[in-house]
Amino acid sequence: DVKVTQSSRYLVKRTGEKVFLECVQDMDHENMFWYRQDPGLGLRLIYFSYDVKMKEKGDIPEGYSVSREKKERFSLILESASTNQTSMYLCASSLRTGGVYNSPLHFGNGTRLTVT
Amino acid sequence: QKEVEQDPGPLSVPEGAIVSLNCTYSNSAFQYFMWYRQYSRKGPELLMYTYSSGNKEDGRFTAQVDKSSKYISLFIRDSQPSDSATYLCALTLGDGGYNKLIFGAGTRLAVHP
Repeated sequence: DVKVTQSSRYLVKRTGEKVFLECVQDMDHENMFWYRQDPGLGLRLIYFSYDVKMKEKGDIPEGYSVSREKKERFSLILESASTNQTSMYLCASSLRTGGVYNSPLHFGNGTRLTVT
Repeated sequence: QKEVEQDPGPLSVPEGAIVSLNCTYSNSAFQYFMWYRQYSRKGPELLMYTYSSGNKEDGRFTAQVDKSSKYISLFIRDSQPSDSATYLCALTLGDGGYNKLIFGAGTRLAVHP
């Protein structure tokens, strides 16, 4: 069974802090994604990666960066946290081929980040 | 206008009821339609997907797409308390690209015994 593990369930940080959210998957998936989930807005794609050391911007990349040094690990970085980045962050992974319908996204359980 | 609209609920029904969850969308180019289920404190998981128009059935669940009306539905028959979750529709264009996957905001469903 695919397991996507996010290092923290809850995180509280202060405005201006640098924040690292870590995600590890154990199924050798090529693709990894970071979403944020906000009430009324659904899931919005922040960044994704189709391979090691590769990254692509999603719909809302401003204020975020990512790092993928190893295939199984994808980190989301908030360079200087702001209150509008308070949200639920979800990491996901998938196989490279087949599209979203044949190779569905496997999500972690999320990190609820509060920036005060 | 949002690309995908979904009533957030909450929707509260008694056990055994038939549940109808819906999304409307604006872009007629969407080809693949998915439903994800998200239990409390968990990540979403793919429940069903359909391609283009028509129905797809899986046990107590039926996914329906009406492309002419730009309307998709998920029906749950004989609903159970274990069906209590948030249901998110997700749509994508014909190439199925992950970066083009659009999620609805989710409808929270509560099935009470």
